[in-house]
Amino acid sequence: GDSVTQTEGLVTLTKGLPVMLNCTYQTTYSPFLFWYVQHLNEAPKLLLKSSTDNKRTEHQGFYATLHKSSSSFHLQKSSVQLSDSALYFCALSEITGNTGKLIFGLGTTLQVQP
Amino acid sequence: NAGVIQTPRHKVTGKGQEATLWCEPISGHSAVFWYRQTIVQGLEFLTYFRNQAPIDDSGMPKERFSAQMPNQSHSTLKIQSTQPQDSAVYLCASSLASGGNYAEQFFGPGTRLTVL
Repeated sequence: GDSVTQTEGLVTLTKGLPVMLNCTYQTTYSPFLFWYVQHLNEAPKLLLKSSTDNKRTEHQGFYATLHKSSSSFHLQKSSVQLSDSALYFCALSEITGNTGKLIFGLGTTLQVQP
Repeated sequence: NAGVIQTPRHKVTGKGQEATLWCEPISGHSAVFWYRQTIVQGLEFLTYFRNQAPIDDSGMPKERFSAQMPNQSHSTLKIQSTQPQDSAVYLCASSLASGGNYAEQFFGPGTRLTVL
């Protein structure tokens, strides 16, 4: 079945350093990939999305590129801030019409230290 | 725009009792999704409705769980004979389901269910 793998459960970094959170997926259909961010005691919010191969998508300083050849959609940021501390989910969707269920990875907690 | 509303925010039940969780989608959104979040399993899809019709319930446990959307302004998730393993945060999300571009899912704050 369809699945999303996030290899890191916890990433701890010092403020100002770059970060990359890994995401790979398996699917038999044309993928639509997402990154959601969930701050403590808040609802998940969409951070990035893409269905275009080899095109970088950016939002709020975060960026990711969907690579269908390697089934990857890694999330990156060049300089993390304390406010980036949160739980990050990679998700996959099969779009029917213009919406569909999301299949999530287990999530990566990013902790940014001063 | 109040966002997706979920009630109650917290619910504690005893083993074997019934729990009903409510979701009010964003006005005008015609797709409603239910997910369950636990530390071990992460975020899992349960079921979704489009224009009040059930579209996909492939994530719903076969027993004890049911979902309905009796009108466009609310959906319910009912768990009968709750068990400790049902303890989780239940998230509802809604999205527009018309138009050509991808419709973002907006999540509610969730209902934290604790089964003692």
